[in-house]
Amino acid sequence: DGGITQSPKYLFRKEGQNVTLSCEQNLNHDAMYWYRQDPGQGLRLIYYSQIVNDFQKGDIAEGYSVSREKKESFPLTVTSAQKNPTAFYLCATIQGSTEAFFGQGTRLTVV
Amino acid sequence: GESVGLHLPTLSVQEGDNSIINCAYSNSASDYFIWYKQESGKGPQFIIDIRSNMDKRQGQRVTVLLNKTVKHLSLQIAATQPGDSAVYFCAETSYDKVIFGPGTSLSVIP
Repeated sequence: DGGITQSPKYLFRKEGQNVTLSCEQNLNHDAMYWYRQDPGQGLRLIYYSQIVNDFQKGDIAEGYSVSREKKESFPLTVTSAQKNPTAFYLCATIQGSTEAFFGQGTRLTVV
Repeated sequence: GESVGLHLPTLSVQEGDNSIINCAYSNSASDYFIWYKQESGKGPQFIIDIRSNMDKRQGQRVTVLLNKTVKHLSLQIAATQPGDSAVYFCAETSYDKVIFGPGTSLSVIP
């Protein structure tokens, strides 16, 4: 069963805590993306990676960090420097000039 | 990414009418375009795609039109149903890079 798995589906963070969102894919795609989506808004690019051990900042990278140690995995850490982290986070993969495949998202809430 | 934190434009359509959702894309070199549908609380899902060497493609109840001259993409949904209520995104891709449009929220009035 190929696809992208994001976990957890729901995540609660206390003020000042770092949390890590998981994104795993078995599609053998090179490129992986992280997006943030706020209610009633579009997708904003946080980070992307086009190859293992390399990643680039997107439009709203401040307060976030990523790693790409394996092709299959692209975890996103929301750090305490991100002052308004409550949002819906989406991971996507793409290979060449084809469609992007999305995970089902992680809803992060600060409590 | 294209989105800048603005609220999505909304399109309201009567059930049974046709819907047209428009999108302007930015990169003349993009060679592949996709429309996605996102239901509340879920990830976007593929609806239909079109390559840059085409100007029209039809699916089941959906048609995508591509006008490369003005860098414009549209999605037409025939006989819109309540289940079509969702946010629709266009995307352009080229060599592992994907850029999403800002999205349009479609609301179907029963």
